[in-house]
Amino acid sequence: AQSVSQHNHHVILSEAASLELGCNYSYGGTVNLFWYVQYPGQHLQLLLKYFSGDPLVKGIKGFEAEFIKSKFSFNLRKPSVQWSDTAEYFCAVTPFSLAYGGATNKLIFGTGTLLAVQP
Amino acid sequence: NAGVTQTPKFQVLKTGQSMTLQCAQDMNHNSMYWYRQDPGMGLRLIYYSASEGTTDKGEVPNGYNVSRLNKREFSLRLESAAPSQTSVYFCASSEYITDTQYFGPGTRLTVL
Repeated sequence: AQSVSQHNHHVILSEAASLELGCNYSYGGTVNLFWYVQYPGQHLQLLLKYFSGDPLVKGIKGFEAEFIKSKFSFNLRKPSVQWSDTAEYFCAVTPFSLAYGGATNKLIFGTGTLLAVQP
Repeated sequence: NAGVTQTPKFQVLKTGQSMTLQCAQDMNHNSMYWYRQDPGMGLRLIYYSASEGTTDKGEVPNGYNVSRLNKREFSLRLESAAPSQTSVYFCASSEYITDTQYFGPGTRLTVL
């Protein structure tokens, strides 16, 4: 089935630890890729996105992600997390074949990864 | 520039009651969306409007209706609320269907 998989459901790190959250998708063809973040009690905000070009994209707050087409992956990384990074992180994919092909779903979300950073 | 706004922020309904969730965006975006967020399930698309004057079903449309009132506003209606519709509802908008989506603050709905 077509899907977006986030393998880490709940991650607990200490401040200054490095972070890598996995995201894999199962669509061929052109895709737009996103990472959204939801801080406690807030709405989703865009962290970073990849549409084309350099597969290593940098987002806000020191986050970056690398698109590896051969692995259908778009993993999120941060070298040193802070307590304020505690949030839920969602990977999302827009497959062009679905978006323009009349499919019911345009932006497919993973189930999210809850990150807790301990001070 | 308020972005995407939603009303109300919280709502409690009894089974069978109806209500309309309102959403407005001031970014002149063409496309608008309604999602529901449930624990462990991410966000699921209920309905979307690719452009003014059009609406289409998403992944989980049953029990909902929508109206794209104009380019700015996109409302979601629950005709006869059920406990299974207890959720957090997010409205979003984007310039085009494959573009970055901007989300509203959400409506937390409880159906008793």
